[in-house]
Amino acid sequence: EAGVTQFPSHSVIEKGQTVTLRCDPISGHDNLYWYRRVMGKEIKFLLHFVKESKQDESGMPNNRFLAERTGGTYSTLKVQPAELEDSGVYFCASSHEGGWTEAFFGQGTRLTVV
Amino acid sequence: RKEVEQDPGPFNVPEGATVAFNCTYSNSASQSFFWYRQDCRKEPKLLMSVYSSGNEDGRFTAQLNRASQYISLLIRDSKLSDSATYLCVVNRHFNKFYFGSGTKLNVKP
Repeated sequence: EAGVTQFPSHSVIEKGQTVTLRCDPISGHDNLYWYRRVMGKEIKFLLHFVKESKQDESGMPNNRFLAERTGGTYSTLKVQPAELEDSGVYFCASSHEGGWTEAFFGQGTRLTVV
Repeated sequence: RKEVEQDPGPFNVPEGATVAFNCTYSNSASQSFFWYRQDCRKEPKLLMSVYSSGNEDGRFTAQLNRASQYISLLIRDSKLSDSATYLCVVNRHFNKFYFGSGTKLNVKP
């Protein structure tokens, strides 16, 4: 069974540009999450989808970040325009329906804004 | 105050040693608890869930103390391959995970 996959694995963009990250969850997982780790800090929650609906987006830092999950399958996270402080590793995770279960993580996208 | 606190380490131990990590969480409403392992520049991977009764998986033992709001991980007979960062993860809101900053373990030959 394929795990959570993320694309691209690395992205280097200039300040002001747009970047779109993609996540393909484990097949059949209704819950999809985005997390971020910035340098020297702990991994922090960004948002949570249940199927195509945003369950909780309280961790989204500002309106430059837009996440979508059309059709309840893969998800995209767009940053527009990117700022220097957006640099970090963006992890996607998915879990089964039912709550309180462990999440499985993708390998992450390392975003560098210069 | 952080949701989850961990000693960042590093813990430097020889092969074969026993090492223990603790983690505290701030919210008593937390419902489920996990230890994840993260290798350098890799994604976090589930090591084990932590249950109130305590649980063991080979050389790894996890304990939960709800009254004191801490979680522990004990690694016996450390191997070189155990070198990694160990993340304490707590689930409070439905499927919203809170991460500690991780404890780094270096197992030396």
